[in-house]
Amino acid sequence: GDSVTQMEGPVTLSEEAFLTINCTYTATGYPSLFWYVQYPGEGLQLLLKATKADDKGSNKGFEATYRKETTSFHLEKGSVQVSDSAVYFCALSGSNYKLTFGKGTLLTVNP
Amino acid sequence: GAVVSQHPSWVICKSGTSVKIECRSLDFQATTMFWYRQFPKQSLMLMATSNEGSKATYEQGVEKDKFLINHASLTLSTLTVTSAHPEDSSFYICSATNQLSNQPQHFGDGTRLSIL
Repeated sequence: GDSVTQMEGPVTLSEEAFLTINCTYTATGYPSLFWYVQYPGEGLQLLLKATKADDKGSNKGFEATYRKETTSFHLEKGSVQVSDSAVYFCALSGSNYKLTFGKGTLLTVNP
Repeated sequence: GAVVSQHPSWVICKSGTSVKIECRSLDFQATTMFWYRQFPKQSLMLMATSNEGSKATYEQGVEKDKFLINHASLTLSTLTVTSAHPEDSSFYICSATNQLSNQPQHFGDGTRLSIL
């Protein structure tokens, strides 16, 4: 079945540091890929998505590129802020529209 | 962007009580809604998929009679936790999508359920 493996946290960075959270997937067919962010006590917000190979999703300074050859969708940001502290989930959606989530990565950004 | 409203955000009740959680899509028609459960510091576990006007499809291991799901309109789905017990305490999150327009899932803010 489909699965998502993402970098285990927690990740702690200083403000303005470079962020990478690795995500790889296993799926049949051609899934869509997503990054969701969850702030404490809240639901999930869609951060970015990519629907086909070589697509780059971007939002709020975050980027991720759909790499079919390496089955990866790593999340990057060049300069993190304290307000980026949250849990980040990588996810994929197959033909049945169900989302399969990774375990989540807690990011803490210190001033 | 698309908005999904979930209510209540927090509920505390006694063991044996039934609790209803509402999930509404405010600015789009949701052909499909999903219900998830999240344990502390863990990922989301899909409980069931609900298509408007039809019975929900439950994931393996989820008790249909314990977690009743209704999706009677294109903007509202409800999850009722029947005869709740302390082990049902959790964070429940809904999401909604319109598959006809190939939307991504949009999530509610979640409901924290605490059973005493």
